[in-house]
Order: sequence, then C-alpha cells, then structure tokens
Amino acid sequence: NAGVTQTPKFQVLKTGQSMTLQCAQDMNHNSMYWYRQDPGMGLRLIYYSASEGTTDKGEVPNGYNVSRLNKREFSLRLESAAPSQTSVYFCATGRGHTEAFFGQGTRLTVV
Amino acid sequence: QQQVKQSPQSLIVQKGGISIINCAYENTAFDYFPWYQQFPGKGPALLIAIRPDVSEKKEGRFTISFNKSAKQFSLHIMDSQPGDSATYFCAASSGGGGADGLTFGKGTHLIIQP
Repeated sequence: NAGVTQTPKFQVLKTGQSMTLQCAQDMNHNSMYWYRQDPGMGLRLIYYSASEGTTDKGEVPNGYNVSRLNKREFSLRLESAAPSQTSVYFCATGRGHTEAFFGQGTRLTVV
Repeated sequence: QQQVKQSPQSLIVQKGGISIINCAYENTAFDYFPWYQQFPGKGPALLIAIRPDVSEKKEGRFTISFNKSAKQFSLHIMDSQPGDSATYFCAASSGGGGADGLTFGKGTHLIIQP
C-alpha cells in the first residue's frame, strides 16, 4: 500500500522547457491536490480536483495546467518553466475538505 | 491575503520543555483545523486535528487548544523530545460541500535541544 506516489523525485529544467509531474494514489480518495512549498511561504495550493473529471484553480495556478486522468492519477504540467517555479511540489489526496495525505514531493529546479 | 497566520517562525526548546505554536485565522467559515508535522525531505503528515465544537483535543504529548471567539488555535507539545524537531504547519479548511483543500500557515521550524 504505497499511499501517494510522486514521480520524479528530483528534476532540473532549463528555462522554457516543459515537463509533467506525475501523481498516483491507491487510497480510493475522490479529492486530489497539488501544492508548492517555498521557504517561509508554507504550502500553497496550485490546483485541486474534487472528483474524476473536474479540476479547479487554487491560490497560485498561473504557469501550470493539470489533468485528472482517472480517479487514481492527477498530473501537473509546466508548459514553459521559469526560475520562479523552482520549488518543492507536493501531491495530496483527501476525503472531502478534511484530512490530506501527502506524497514525498518533487524537488524542481529551473535554471 | 493570508488567511492563516502562524507564529513563531522558529522555536528552540530544551528537552523536556513545552513547545507552543500559535495560529490565527480570519475566515469564520473554517471548520476543520489540523496540524501537520514535516521532517526534512518528507511530505507533511497529519499530527492532530480539531473541529470548532470543542476547545481542546489531546493525543499523547500533543494538544490543540482552540478559541473560537478569538479565532485562534495553538499546538502544545509537552515533554518535548529531540525527535520532535521538525517543521510544523497549522492549517484550516471549510466545508460547504466542496473539496478546495487546506489553507496553510507559513510553518514553524522547531528545534529541541538535548
């Protein structure tokens, strides 16, 4: 039982390159989330999906797109990476609006 | 607009002492208040949570105190141990039939000195 699995764990991109962060859960939760964590800023919500087929913007959605592929998978895409997107990205799942279960994170550096 | 304000940013406590972290919120629709613990290189993990119908919740050495009228809640770690050294985040969310995630404070870096 892996919980929430994120790939890759580490990534270095050049400015302007694109990439997709993958997230898969085996907890059978309807809700899935993408957060970014920056020093001194806490965790900020990028996008969320309340159920398969639906996605909504969070606090900091600019520069990102998401896809809820099925109940298990929720991906985050950077179309044209910028240095300001250097961060640690966390995927999480949850039951409704309460408890969230986090993955181990993807550490992304944009140079 | 920061909806959940957390203090202090960093805290050093001697082993065996009490660690206290405070949070204040603005949105009166919030009805779920969890605390998360994060170790370096790991994702945050739920530590303890409270709903506004109670003023205190205790789990082992960890206690949440909640003051609805003041819109404040705090985490107390009794008999603090070096293994408690981590970053702690308070958070809040509201129901309303949605699933729009948690709003987090900026975190407190706690160091327990042996």
